[in-house]
Amino acid sequence: EPEVTQTPSHQVTQMGQEVILRCVPISNHLYFYWYRQILGQKVEFLVSFYNNEISEKSEIFDDQFSVERPDGSNFTLKIRSTKLEDSAMYFCASSPSGTSGLYTGELFFGEGSRLTVL
Amino acid sequence: AQSVTQLDSHVSVSEGTPVLLRCNYSSSYSPSLFWYVQHPNKGLQLLLKYTSAATLVKGINGFEAEFKKSETSFHLTKPSAHMSDAAEYFCVVHSGTYKYIFGTGTRLKVLA
Repeated sequence: EPEVTQTPSHQVTQMGQEVILRCVPISNHLYFYWYRQILGQKVEFLVSFYNNEISEKSEIFDDQFSVERPDGSNFTLKIRSTKLEDSAMYFCASSPSGTSGLYTGELFFGEGSRLTVL
Repeated sequence: AQSVTQLDSHVSVSEGTPVLLRCNYSSSYSPSLFWYVQHPNKGLQLLLKYTSAATLVKGINGFEAEFKKSETSFHLTKPSAHMSDAAEYFCVVHSGTYKYIFGTGTRLKVLA
């Protein structure tokens, strides 16, 4: 069964360092998302991405964050200068169609990348 | 605006007894509703979804949920809990934008 894969599963970094989290969405999916979950808190939407551009982003997704689809398979989340409060589990998700409008199905999530900022 | 409220942060049941995890939603449009489960150190797995078809939805591992528009609820149930059901459960609502809104989660504990 096709699945979303994320790397690394766990990354430890120093405050102020740049981090790139990588995701390989399901191959025929067109829409991609990043969510995060700070330990003990709810899962929060960060950004959605379609056709090589951001379709929606939350207030959390400020200038230190960026997303990119550098090739036909990878979808990355970059955090430019990490802060302690960026420590969280980051989930990548994909869907075959956009969730704005007619698509009413589920998102397919990866297993997450745990980021620890020291 | 859409939102979702999970009424219990923790639920404990004995193995073999019924499970009820409560969820209420708020949405301006006809929503799609989902339950996801997260086992420790694992990703988010879809349990079941409601997308305006039958109001009683059956999912994996014996779970069910009933969409009640008049009560704006989408409670998750299972007739008989198993030890392997111990996990965190998230109710999720979506209606028309790109983002899915997660509830705060309910941690289910199953006692032997």
